[in-house]
Amino acid sequence: QVQLQQWGAGLLKPSETLSLTCAVYGESFSGHYWNWIRQPPGKGLEWIGEISHSGSTNYKSSLQSRVTISRDTSKNQFSLKLTSVTAADTAVYYCARRNGENAPSYFQYWGRGTLVTVSS
Amino acid sequence: EIVMTQSPATLSVSPGERATLSCRASQSVSINLAWYQQKPGQAPRLLIYDASTRATGIPARFSGSGSGTEFTLTISSLQSEDFVVYYCQQYNYWPPWTFGQGTKVEIK
Repeated sequence: QVQLQQWGAGLLKPSETLSLTCAVYGESFSGHYWNWIRQPPGKGLEWIGEISHSGSTNYKSSLQSRVTISRDTSKNQFSLKLTSVTAADTAVYYCARRNGENAPSYFQYWGRGTLVTVSS
Repeated sequence: EIVMTQSPATLSVSPGERATLSCRASQSVSINLAWYQQKPGQAPRLLIYDASTRATGIPARFSGSGSGTEFTLTISSLQSEDFVVYYCQQYNYWPPWTFGQGTKVEIK
């Protein structure tokens, strides 16, 4: 059974860097895209970006200047870094698996989410 | 960017009745549409993909239909655990992958 376990700092000050990691259990890291999605309190879902096993990345254009998604295939893990955070970045951050690498697809598996609060 | 618009924002339905949720895309996404259910404090759960295919383990009371720009999620007989929030998501144009703003199904 596929499981995504995520962790990272939950409280940041403005201008700091958000850093989260997601570990994949139960299947190979290859063959899928690994995503980060966030949800501000009481609001909807916003896709942030994704990375493939080979390291190919896609980012939401409005966040691209601040976002880096990387992976460590030896550990079956991928990570999110978001620089220069503000209160607007306060959200629950989810990692998720998007099925397949060669065709558009949906998010089949999700981590449990990490609440990240940005406050001075 | 494809804009997904869900309606209504809140749907009031009695237990045991049918719920019909709508999702509209700003341009055709073919059948590349998924529905998710989100319970409070939990991650979204995949219900439907390819507009009408139920994900593994999803009860038959959940069904999806539509293509192009108009989609519907139907819950045939609402159970107590179904009164939560539902999101649609298109995966025809990427990136970015885009979600609707959600429909909350509440008890009437």
